[in-house]
Amino acid sequence: DQQVKQNSPSLSVQEGRISILNCDYTNSMFDYFLWYKKYPAEGPTFLISISSIKDKNEDGRFTVFLNKSAKHLSLHIVPSQPGDSAVYFCAASASGGYQKVTFGIGTKLQVIP
Amino acid sequence: DSGVTQTPKHLITATGQRVTLRCSPRSGDLSVYWYQQSLDQGLQFLIQYYNGEERAKGNILERFSAQQFPDLHSELNLSSLELGDSALYFCASSVGYSPYNEQFFGPGTRLTVL
Repeated sequence: DQQVKQNSPSLSVQEGRISILNCDYTNSMFDYFLWYKKYPAEGPTFLISISSIKDKNEDGRFTVFLNKSAKHLSLHIVPSQPGDSAVYFCAASASGGYQKVTFGIGTKLQVIP
Repeated sequence: DSGVTQTPKHLITATGQRVTLRCSPRSGDLSVYWYQQSLDQGLQFLIQYYNGEERAKGNILERFSAQQFPDLHSELNLSSLELGDSALYFCASSVGYSPYNEQFFGPGTRLTVL
């Protein structure tokens, strides 16, 4: 039962353009969402997060949008750079109950120079 | 460098065997998490320890067990290994036990069961 879904296994974008990575979730108890980035042979690293009380959070070139009614979030990278080429994991957690973080399967982003 | 160390980097073993994976958290972090990443799968949460006590449990098989020691390092024990246990095993640490705390991941241990 995949509660966090990343339906696009891969994405290719030209350098300088916008990258949009999408994520859907099914558990309405989730109230905190995160994006992690992973390079080959390394562990994931935290990128950006958003609480369910917000619908947008920005950090430099990275912006996460949350649409609670659609149970959808997206990560926008503008402008995309070759160094952004990595696997991006969407993750979610709920403040009550288990308190664990549930990860999606990841989307591999390739930024073409 | 996240500050989280995992040993060994690679492990090759046979079915039916038992292995131990080791994790040292970042200095000052009290929580340790274990995740499994199989081929084409996301990070599956296995278990969390906070300051030596089990805090949360995920989809951890009964053949797997973990503990966190007084010096806060953690070990994940995998026994009666099966081919399907081949995966990347990540350890992460955070300062607290809340899911809002940023988790810092180690580089992972790649386990191959032949």
